[in-house]
Amino acid sequence: DTAVSQTPKYLVTQMGNDKSIKCEQNLGHDTMYWYKQDSKKFLKIMFSYNNKELIINETVPNRFSPKSPDKAHLNLHINSLELGDSAVYFCASSQPTGNTEAFFGQGTRLTVV
Amino acid sequence: GENVEQHPSTLSVQEGDSAVIKCTYSDSASNYFPWYKQELGKRPQLIIDIRSNVGEKKDQRIAVTLNKTAKHFSLHITETQPEDSAVYFCAADGGNEKLTFGTGTRLTIIP
Repeated sequence: DTAVSQTPKYLVTQMGNDKSIKCEQNLGHDTMYWYKQDSKKFLKIMFSYNNKELIINETVPNRFSPKSPDKAHLNLHINSLELGDSAVYFCASSQPTGNTEAFFGQGTRLTVV
Repeated sequence: GENVEQHPSTLSVQEGDSAVIKCTYSDSASNYFPWYKQELGKRPQLIIDIRSNVGEKKDQRIAVTLNKTAKHFSLHITETQPEDSAVYFCAADGGNEKLTFGTGTRLTIIP
């Protein structure tokens, strides 16, 4: 009965590879997000989707491409991985009106070697 | 866009003492201010939040205060316990599907 679940939990891959992280929420929320947490623990928003539509795209390289097949899923695909992409990536969801709690997935620790 | 600053970056307090973490924000349109706790290796989880029509909110040992004029808000933890050790994040939300987080405070409770 996990509210926001993302897979995989750990991902180790070589530079130049392409990888995907999947996220699903069963809370009935319309808004989903991807956050990146670097080694200093800073939480930076990458993307925000509302009912499958892109709302926010922060200054993220276009190697990162989110895809939302339906409002319960927001996947993140990363092309040509670089060492600097190593981080923990968190998916989250909330109600679209803002002013409400954002629920986070358990995180995906991506290590690029 | 919104900019949220958080201080201190690290904080150590003796068990039983109080801890205070402070945040400032830049966008006067922001009207929702949650606080998240992240334990080691875990996801951030909401511990308390406050909306702009309220100046203070308390939940057992945790309280949050908001000063909209000065654009700052604070988290207060009283009677600290070892399980309070974690990284705490403040955040500000202007209702535009963008929750901006502060840089985090690593709180250590010394037994």
